[in-house]
Amino acid sequence: QQPVQSPQAVILREGEDAVINCSSSKALYSVHWYRQKHGEAPVFLMILLKGGEQKGHDKISASFNEKKQQSSLYLTASQLSYSGTYFCGTVTSGGYQKVTFGIGTKLQVIP
Amino acid sequence: DGGITQSPKYLFRKEGQNVTLSCEQNLNHDAMYWYRQDPGQGLRLIYYSQIVNDFQKGDIAEGYSVSREKKESFPLTVTSAQKNPTAFYLCASSIVGQGGQPQHFGDGTRLSIL
Repeated sequence: QQPVQSPQAVILREGEDAVINCSSSKALYSVHWYRQKHGEAPVFLMILLKGGEQKGHDKISASFNEKKQQSSLYLTASQLSYSGTYFCGTVTSGGYQKVTFGIGTKLQVIP
Repeated sequence: DGGITQSPKYLFRKEGQNVTLSCEQNLNHDAMYWYRQDPGQGLRLIYYSQIVNDFQKGDIAEGYSVSREKKESFPLTVTSAQKNPTAFYLCASSIVGQGGQPQHFGDGTRLSIL
């Protein structure tokens, strides 16, 4: 079953912050985040393993609440280069490589 | 430079025809994946393989077939049984590890019906 992402789309001005949420009805082992620019391949951002750790990547960070089966991606001081579609992917078992992706959140940063 | 190569970039299929999409990687990854991407539906897993000569069905395997005879190669055949094959197909690879590992994607093949 696909994880649910929200919002489905968001428009930001440069410098503004955004939060993208990802939730699952199943217990999760890990959450993956990817960004895809129009016409390009998805690019890996980060993986969060169960344990509630928060990861950071420049001005993009994420948290994982395994009790709520939710993850959030935080984009601070957004730049034009952040535009694209963000996908979360969930893994329900530690032994398998199968990642189930959400339908994506389209983010557009404007000047 | 290491990476994943998908070919062709564009492919057209006639009714009743099988077509094969190529995916080759030189990253020495054990796991490989095929996804289908339709507008508004995200990435849906068709097949994946964690080791040579073994593969598992994903969420939408009907109408597709794969083989994994070599570590570097994971071709996808779209058979005539797949009634709605028009989509963007992405191949990916990763190392094998707990909880899944970062996947590296190819540039995709866009398949259309003639």
